[in-house]
Amino acid sequence: DAGVTQSPTHLIKTRGQQVTLRCSPKSGHDTVSWYQQALGQGPQFIFQYYEEEERQRGNFPDRFSGHQFPNYSSELNVNALLLGDSALYLCASSLSWTGSTEAFFGQGTRLTVV
Amino acid sequence: AQSVTQLGSHVSVSEGALVLLRCNYSSSVPPYLFWYVQYPNQGLQLLLKYTTGATLVKGINGFEAEFKKSETSFHLTKPSAHMSDAAEYFCAVNNAGGTSYGKLTFGQGTILTVHP
Repeated sequence: DAGVTQSPTHLIKTRGQQVTLRCSPKSGHDTVSWYQQALGQGPQFIFQYYEEEERQRGNFPDRFSGHQFPNYSSELNVNALLLGDSALYLCASSLSWTGSTEAFFGQGTRLTVV
Repeated sequence: AQSVTQLGSHVSVSEGALVLLRCNYSSSVPPYLFWYVQYPNQGLQLLLKYTTGATLVKGINGFEAEFKKSETSFHLTKPSAHMSDAAEYFCAVNNAGGTSYGKLTFGQGTILTVHP
């Protein structure tokens, strides 16, 4: 079992550009959540996808959007990048998240905006 | 709203000494509580979780935590630190249902350093 896989592992973008990050959940998992972890901070919840729909969203602007595909994989898109978007982006998968179910995290994508 | 406070951004112990990492939470409904560990340049790994039932929870690598509702705490302990325990530790809360369904709220993290 490959666990949660994210791509790419590192990315450098210029302010104003757009970026797409990808996540493949752990086998058998149907729910994907995205988190942003700024340097020296705890992860912050961006949003969660279940059955190809955004089920819950954190306090992030509309520049952050996502998608879930029929195979449960997911993308995170960020438009009009700002320097403050530089962070580690973590994807977590779980099975029909009920709160108690363990969330498995990927290694993350390190985004640097210059 | 739910929140997590981890007391002490850095904790330093000697190898073989007791590890105590503090976590206090705020939640309007019975919480589900988690401790995760993050090694440099890696994702998060679950150490242990509390949902319901026994308030003393045992996890991987010899760690355990006790849920104390009266103190709104979920402190993480390990009797004897090992060099390999050096990492960053995050406490997280998820309300059981309600508007916070599916959302983990993390503390700021505690960096554990273990000295020989």
